[in-house]
Amino acid sequence: AQSVAQPEDQVNVAEGNPLTVKCTYSVSGNPYLFWYVQYPNRGLQFLLKYITGDNLVKGSYGFEAEFNKSQTSFHLKKPSALVSDSALYFCAVRDGAAGNKLTFGGGTRVLVKP
Amino acid sequence: DVKVTQSSRYLVKRTGEKVFLECVQDMDHENMFWYRQDPGLGLRLIYFSYDVKMKEKGDIPEGYSVSREKKERFSLILESASTNQTSMYLCASSRPNQPQHFGDGTRLSIL
Repeated sequence: AQSVAQPEDQVNVAEGNPLTVKCTYSVSGNPYLFWYVQYPNRGLQFLLKYITGDNLVKGSYGFEAEFNKSQTSFHLKKPSALVSDSALYFCAVRDGAAGNKLTFGGGTRVLVKP
Repeated sequence: DVKVTQSSRYLVKRTGEKVFLECVQDMDHENMFWYRQDPGLGLRLIYFSYDVKMKEKGDIPEGYSVSREKKERFSLILESASTNQTSMYLCASSRPNQPQHFGDGTRLSIL
């Protein structure tokens, strides 16, 4: 079985400060990891993914994430947050050897204050 | 750009009704998915399909069925709607092993 944990329901950060959204995962095989963002009344938008290769992955809108195999983590980061980054963020994992089924975390709401 | 279109943004139905939620994608994707989204629970997979007429159960298939007669269309059916099926329903599509693209969701209320 595969699972994802996002330990923080909400993260508050001042505009211009670094933003981190935490994610830990559990899979049997090799993890395929994803971050998605959801703005109000919209579907999810893909931000970035880790399949293999460099542990630091860069994605859309200045976001990046670091894959840490020993800590089974895939935290999302942005060096300087914008008010427009306020949204709901989801981490997801797929077992690389087990088909196309994604498992999502519960989501973390990010609030960036001016 | 990939476009995943869900037929209704908001839907209100009564307990016991048969409810159809429709999803169409325009990128010839093989895979299509139906999720429900509830606060604090994230997205939970109901059913998915990796080809026409093929379907597989997700994590919470009870009370739901699906239909995929054409590659671009994936329908979710609530056989007899109940109040605990009030939720946001999200459809997604993808090529194999590629990120999923989501529609804007259908907010379904069962009264």
